[in-house]
Amino acid sequence: AQTVTQSQPEMSVQEAETVTLSCTYDTSESNYYLFWYKQPPSRQMILVIRQEAYKQQNATENRFSVNFQKAAKSFSLKISDSQLGDTAMYFCAFMKHNFGNEKLTFGTGTRLTIIP
Amino acid sequence: KAGVTQTPRYLIKTRGQQVTLSCSPISGHRSVSWYQQTPGQGLQFLFEYFSETQRNKGNFPGRFSGRQFSNSRSEMNVSTLELGDSALYLCASRTTLAAQSKQFFGPGTRLTVL
Repeated sequence: AQTVTQSQPEMSVQEAETVTLSCTYDTSESNYYLFWYKQPPSRQMILVIRQEAYKQQNATENRFSVNFQKAAKSFSLKISDSQLGDTAMYFCAFMKHNFGNEKLTFGTGTRLTIIP
Repeated sequence: KAGVTQTPRYLIKTRGQQVTLSCSPISGHRSVSWYQQTPGQGLQFLFEYFSETQRNKGNFPGRFSGRQFSNSRSEMNVSTLELGDSALYLCASRTTLAAQSKQFFGPGTRLTVL
Protein backbone atom coordinates (compact mmCIF):
# COMPACT_ATOMS: atom_id res chain seq x y z
CA ALA A 1 0.00 0.00 0.00
CA GLN A 2 1.10 3.51 -0.69
CA THR A 3 1.54 6.13 2.01
CA VAL A 4 1.98 9.87 1.73
CA THR A 5 3.52 11.91 4.53
CA GLN A 6 3.37 15.65 5.03
CA SER A 7 5.44 16.50 8.08
CA GLN A 8 4.50 20.18 8.33
CA PRO A 9 0.98 20.54 9.77
CA GLU A 10 1.10 24.33 9.58
CA MET A 11 3.23 26.99 7.94
CA SER A 12 3.02 30.72 7.57
CA VAL A 13 4.91 33.14 5.39
CA GLN A 14 4.85 36.84 4.58
CA GLU A 15 3.17 37.91 1.37
CA ALA A 16 5.54 37.97 -1.63
CA GLU A 17 7.97 35.53 -0.01
CA THR A 18 8.74 32.02 -1.20
CA VAL A 19 7.61 28.95 0.72
CA THR A 20 8.30 25.24 0.28
CA LEU A 21 5.94 22.51 1.43
CA SER A 22 7.36 19.04 1.98
CA CYS A 23 5.97 15.66 0.99
CA THR A 24 7.42 12.19 1.08
CA TYR A 25 5.80 8.99 -0.10
CA ASP A 26 6.36 5.31 0.07
CA THR A 27 5.61 2.95 -2.80
CA SER A 28 7.00 -0.06 -4.59
CA GLU A 29 5.44 1.09 -7.84
CA SER A 30 7.63 2.44 -10.62
CA ASN A 31 4.94 4.14 -12.64
CA TYR A 32 2.80 6.69 -10.85
CA TYR A 33 1.65 10.28 -10.61
CA LEU A 34 2.07 12.82 -7.85
CA PHE A 35 -0.15 15.79 -7.21
CA TRP A 36 -0.50 18.88 -5.09
CA TYR A 37 -4.06 19.94 -4.35
CA LYS A 38 -5.15 23.17 -2.69
CA GLN A 39 -8.25 23.38 -0.51
CA PRO A 40 -9.13 26.96 0.45
CA PRO A 41 -11.67 27.75 3.19
CA SER A 42 -14.42 27.41 0.58
CA ARG A 43 -13.59 23.66 0.63
CA GLN A 44 -13.31 23.28 -3.15
CA MET A 45 -10.33 21.04 -3.88
CA ILE A 46 -8.25 22.49 -6.71
CA LEU A 47 -5.44 20.78 -8.59
CA VAL A 48 -2.29 22.89 -8.32
CA ILE A 49 0.28 20.81 -10.11
CA ARG A 50 0.92 17.27 -11.33
CA GLN A 51 4.11 15.28 -11.90
CA GLU A 52 4.50 12.05 -13.84
CA ALA A 53 7.05 9.79 -12.20
CA TYR A 54 8.67 8.82 -15.49
CA LYS A 55 9.48 12.45 -16.25
CA GLN A 56 12.73 13.71 -14.79
CA GLN A 57 11.91 17.33 -15.44
CA ASN A 58 10.18 19.04 -12.55
CA ALA A 59 6.68 20.33 -13.28
CA THR A 60 5.94 24.06 -13.09
CA GLU A 61 2.72 26.04 -13.21
CA ASN A 62 3.27 29.77 -13.06
CA ARG A 63 4.34 30.55 -9.46
CA PHE A 64 4.14 26.90 -8.44
CA SER A 65 6.92 24.40 -9.02
CA VAL A 66 7.92 21.05 -7.61
CA ASN A 67 11.18 19.41 -6.64
CA PHE A 68 10.70 15.74 -7.50
CA GLN A 69 13.38 13.41 -6.15
CA LYS A 70 12.32 9.93 -7.23
CA ALA A 71 15.09 8.00 -5.52
CA ALA A 72 14.43 9.80 -2.25
CA LYS A 73 10.64 9.56 -2.78
CA SER A 74 10.30 13.25 -2.12
CA PHE A 75 7.94 15.69 -3.79
CA SER A 76 8.04 19.24 -2.44
CA LEU A 77 6.01 22.22 -3.63
CA LYS A 78 7.54 25.66 -3.97
CA ILE A 79 5.30 28.70 -4.10
CA SER A 80 7.06 31.83 -5.30
CA ASP A 81 5.86 35.40 -4.74
CA SER A 82 3.16 34.12 -2.38
CA GLN A 83 -0.20 35.86 -2.45
CA LEU A 84 -3.03 36.16 0.07
CA GLY A 85 -5.14 33.88 -2.13
CA ASP A 86 -2.61 31.10 -1.58
CA THR A 87 -3.88 30.72 1.98
CA ALA A 88 -5.32 27.19 2.09
CA MET A 89 -4.76 23.58 3.06
CA TYR A 90 -2.35 21.89 0.70
CA PHE A 91 -2.53 18.16 0.13
CA CYS A 92 0.07 16.01 -1.51
CA ALA A 93 -1.41 12.99 -3.28
CA PHE A 94 -0.24 9.83 -5.03
CA MET A 95 -1.86 7.81 -7.78
CA LYS A 96 -0.38 4.63 -9.21
CA HIS A 97 -0.61 4.06 -12.92
CA ASN A 98 -2.85 1.02 -13.03
CA PHE A 99 -5.57 1.49 -15.60
CA GLY A 100 -9.01 1.24 -14.09
CA ASN A 101 -7.70 0.75 -10.58
CA GLU A 102 -6.50 4.19 -9.69
CA LYS A 103 -7.33 6.21 -6.64
CA LEU A 104 -5.78 9.21 -5.00
CA THR A 105 -3.96 8.57 -1.73
CA PHE A 106 -3.64 11.83 0.18
CA GLY A 107 -1.30 13.10 2.84
CA THR A 108 -2.63 14.75 5.98
CA GLY A 109 -2.18 18.24 4.60
CA THR A 110 -0.28 21.42 5.42
CA ARG A 111 -2.22 24.49 6.47
CA LEU A 112 -0.51 27.46 4.80
CA THR A 113 -1.24 31.01 5.90
CA ILE A 114 0.00 33.99 3.92
CA ILE A 115 0.47 37.00 6.19
CA PRO A 116 -0.20 40.46 4.72
CA LYS B 1 -18.28 24.50 -18.99
CA ALA B 2 -19.94 23.97 -15.61
CA GLY B 3 -17.87 22.34 -12.89
CA VAL B 4 -18.68 19.34 -10.73
CA THR B 5 -21.81 19.95 -8.70
CA GLN B 6 -22.88 18.23 -5.52
CA THR B 7 -26.25 18.32 -3.79
CA PRO B 8 -27.15 18.99 -1.13
CA ARG B 9 -24.30 21.12 0.19
CA TYR B 10 -25.25 20.56 3.83
CA LEU B 11 -27.19 17.78 5.49
CA ILE B 12 -28.10 16.92 9.07
CA LYS B 13 -29.26 13.42 9.93
CA THR B 14 -29.66 11.34 13.06
CA ARG B 15 -28.07 8.01 13.88
CA GLY B 16 -29.72 5.07 12.21
CA GLN B 17 -31.09 7.05 9.28
CA GLN B 18 -29.90 6.70 5.74
CA VAL B 19 -28.75 9.40 3.35
CA THR B 20 -28.26 9.84 -0.38
CA LEU B 21 -25.79 12.32 -1.83
CA SER B 22 -25.69 13.34 -5.47
CA CYS B 23 -22.86 14.31 -7.79
CA SER B 24 -23.12 15.67 -11.32
CA PRO B 25 -19.81 15.47 -13.19
CA ILE B 26 -18.44 17.90 -15.72
CA SER B 27 -20.10 17.42 -19.08
CA GLY B 28 -18.28 14.71 -21.02
CA HIS B 29 -16.69 13.16 -17.93
CA ARG B 30 -17.58 9.52 -17.53
CA SER B 31 -15.78 8.72 -14.31
CA VAL B 32 -16.93 9.77 -10.84
CA SER B 33 -15.01 9.11 -7.64
CA TRP B 34 -16.10 9.69 -4.07
CA TYR B 35 -13.90 10.64 -1.11
CA GLN B 36 -14.63 11.10 2.58
CA GLN B 37 -12.81 13.86 4.45
CA THR B 38 -12.71 13.89 8.25
CA PRO B 39 -10.38 15.64 10.71
CA GLY B 40 -9.28 12.31 12.14
CA GLN B 41 -8.84 10.14 9.05
CA GLY B 42 -8.15 12.78 6.45
CA LEU B 43 -9.13 12.15 2.86
CA GLN B 44 -10.06 8.59 2.07
CA PHE B 45 -11.16 7.01 -1.19
CA LEU B 46 -14.63 5.46 -1.19
CA PHE B 47 -15.23 4.23 -4.75
CA GLU B 48 -15.05 5.09 -8.41
CA TYR B 49 -17.65 4.55 -11.11
CA PHE B 50 -17.17 4.53 -14.83
CA SER B 51 -19.90 3.87 -17.39
CA GLU B 52 -22.33 2.81 -14.64
CA THR B 53 -19.91 0.19 -13.26
CA GLN B 54 -17.99 0.34 -10.01
CA ARG B 55 -14.34 0.05 -11.00
CA ASN B 56 -12.57 0.54 -7.72
CA LYS B 57 -13.54 0.45 -4.07
CA GLY B 58 -11.89 1.69 -0.89
CA ASN B 59 -11.87 0.13 2.53
CA PHE B 60 -15.30 1.13 3.81
CA PRO B 61 -18.11 -1.01 5.25
CA GLY B 62 -20.98 -2.19 3.11
CA ARG B 63 -23.20 0.57 4.54
CA PHE B 64 -21.53 2.80 1.96
CA SER B 65 -22.76 2.18 -1.55
CA GLY B 66 -23.06 4.05 -4.77
CA ARG B 67 -24.28 3.95 -8.29
CA GLN B 68 -23.89 5.78 -11.54
CA PHE B 69 -26.54 6.57 -14.08
CA SER B 70 -26.37 6.56 -17.86
CA ASN B 71 -25.85 10.35 -17.88
CA SER B 72 -22.79 9.83 -15.62
CA ARG B 73 -24.43 11.40 -12.58
CA SER B 74 -23.61 9.47 -9.45
CA GLU B 75 -25.26 8.94 -6.10
CA MET B 76 -23.73 7.76 -2.87
CA ASN B 77 -25.83 6.15 -0.18
CA VAL B 78 -24.99 5.58 3.46
CA SER B 79 -27.35 3.39 5.45
CA THR B 80 -27.70 3.10 9.21
CA LEU B 81 -25.77 6.28 9.86
CA GLU B 82 -23.24 6.41 12.69
CA LEU B 83 -21.78 9.45 14.41
CA GLY B 84 -18.45 8.69 12.76
CA ASP B 85 -19.98 9.18 9.32
CA SER B 86 -20.03 12.93 9.92
CA ALA B 87 -17.71 14.23 7.24
CA LEU B 88 -17.26 16.26 4.11
CA TYR B 89 -18.02 14.02 1.13
CA LEU B 90 -16.25 15.03 -2.04
CA CYS B 91 -16.82 13.75 -5.50
CA ALA B 92 -14.46 14.14 -8.41
CA SER B 93 -14.92 13.55 -12.10
CA ARG B 94 -12.55 12.88 -14.99
CA THR B 95 -12.93 12.07 -18.64
CA THR B 96 -11.56 8.52 -18.63
CA LEU B 97 -9.96 5.99 -16.33
CA ALA B 98 -6.49 6.75 -17.68
CA ALA B 99 -4.13 7.98 -14.98
CA GLN B 100 -3.24 11.06 -17.01
CA SER B 101 -6.86 12.12 -16.91
CA LYS B 102 -7.09 14.92 -14.36
CA GLN B 103 -9.64 14.76 -11.58
CA PHE B 104 -11.79 17.79 -10.87
CA PHE B 105 -13.48 18.04 -7.49
CA GLY B 106 -16.88 19.33 -6.50
CA PRO B 107 -17.51 21.63 -3.51
CA GLY B 108 -18.55 18.73 -1.29
CA THR B 109 -21.52 17.79 0.86
CA ARG B 110 -21.12 18.41 4.58
CA LEU B 111 -22.94 15.61 6.43
CA THR B 112 -23.56 15.95 10.15
CA VAL B 113 -24.88 12.94 12.04
CA LEU B 114 -26.47 13.68 15.43
